[in-house]
Amino acid sequence: DGGITQSPKYLFRKEGQNVTLSCEQNLNHDAMYWYRQDPGQGLRLIYYSQIVNDFQKGDIAEGYSVSREKKESFPLTVTSAQKNPTAFYLCASTNLTWGNEKLFFGSGTQLSVL
Amino acid sequence: GEDVEQSLFLSVREGDSSVINCTYTDSSSTYLYWYKQEPGAGLQLLTYIFSNMDMKQDQRLTVLLNKKDKHLSLRIADTQTGDSAIYFCAETLSGGYQKVTFGTGTKLQVIP
Repeated sequence: DGGITQSPKYLFRKEGQNVTLSCEQNLNHDAMYWYRQDPGQGLRLIYYSQIVNDFQKGDIAEGYSVSREKKESFPLTVTSAQKNPTAFYLCASTNLTWGNEKLFFGSGTQLSVL
Repeated sequence: GEDVEQSLFLSVREGDSSVINCTYTDSSSTYLYWYKQEPGAGLQLLTYIFSNMDMKQDQRLTVLLNKKDKHLSLRIADTQTGDSAIYFCAETLSGGYQKVTFGTGTKLQVIP
């Protein structure tokens, strides 16, 4: 079955530690996205990538890094510079059709600070 | 700039209709969407409407778009307990990279 897989489902970070969230898709989608969800604030865009080996900052990129070495994979690293990392992180992908960006989402990773 | 707003909470009785509202500020929206999020899960696209349409119906779902007032609504007929979730409206804008902007989400509670 085609879809997007995020792992792990739950992740805990210690002070000063970098952690990496995995996102893999087998939908052959060109574009991939990372969103952060906080209660009552909707989704905020962290980073996006429209093509392999290229990515752009979203609205809240500080304290995060990404890579896009393969079309299927778009891992997100939450660095120690991100002082408030506790949130629900969602990965999404889509084919780039002009104007109608129907996003497919993974099931999310809940990151908490120890 | 882009701003998409929704009320945070809606409670309805099972079998009644639910109406979830959304307002947006950017008049260059091309497509508007409704997504559903069940607890602890990702978002699932329910339906979408092109900005030159007024209405779209899909089984129990009716989307109404008032472009003059920049108002979007989602009506769910015969609401069921399985409809309890958070509903997000979203928009894409014309020109350049098609960034999707999400609203804050409306939590729908269906009372049996």
